[in-house]
Amino acid sequence: DTAVSQTPKYLVTQMGNDKSIKCEQNLGHDTMYWYKQDSKKFLKIMFSYNNKELIINETVPNRFSPKSPDKAHLNLHINSLELGDSAVYFCASSRQIHTEAFFGQGTRLTVV
Amino acid sequence: GDSVTQMEGPVTLSEEAFLTINCTYTATGYPSLFWYVQYPGEGLQLLLKATKADDKGSNKGFEATYRKETTSFHLEKGSVQVSDSAVYFCALRSTGANSKLTFGKGITLSVRP
Repeated sequence: DTAVSQTPKYLVTQMGNDKSIKCEQNLGHDTMYWYKQDSKKFLKIMFSYNNKELIINETVPNRFSPKSPDKAHLNLHINSLELGDSAVYFCASSRQIHTEAFFGQGTRLTVV
Repeated sequence: GDSVTQMEGPVTLSEEAFLTINCTYTATGYPSLFWYVQYPGEGLQLLLKATKADDKGSNKGFEATYRKETTSFHLEKGSVQVSDSAVYFCALRSTGANSKLTFGKGITLSVRP
């Protein structure tokens, strides 16, 4: 019954690899997001999708590519992983663009 | 652009102490304001919100009042518990077609028995 679920919860991988993080929400929300939380707990938005369309892309490297196959899913694919990509990535959703966001449990990505 | 400034942390309190966490913001128009809480090892949860000036959000004994004149949304609780130990984030969502949720840096609260 988890509202916003992400998989995997932990991901350890080597530099240069390509990996994906999946996100699904069962709340019927129109808008989904990806946030990055660094080691100092600072949260920064990466992408926002509304009704499967990209509406916010916050100067994220091209190696990061979000994909929204339907309104309930927003997956994040990362190519050529770098050490600096190590962080906790949070997926979130909201009913509409202006309403409060509900967050997933996070995916801790460690690049070695 | 939009920004949220939180007081520097971390904060350590004894159980039953009074808590205030300061938050000020800069935004155009009339943003909605939020406090989110992140318990250890978990994702963020909405703690409370206020959508217009003078609104007071409250939940689990926490309160915050939207003060437009001072552009502030300070979080308060009269008597903290050990279970309140977490990271607290102030956030705003501005109006507009592509509004986004902007977070403050977060502050870690530790409550000791």
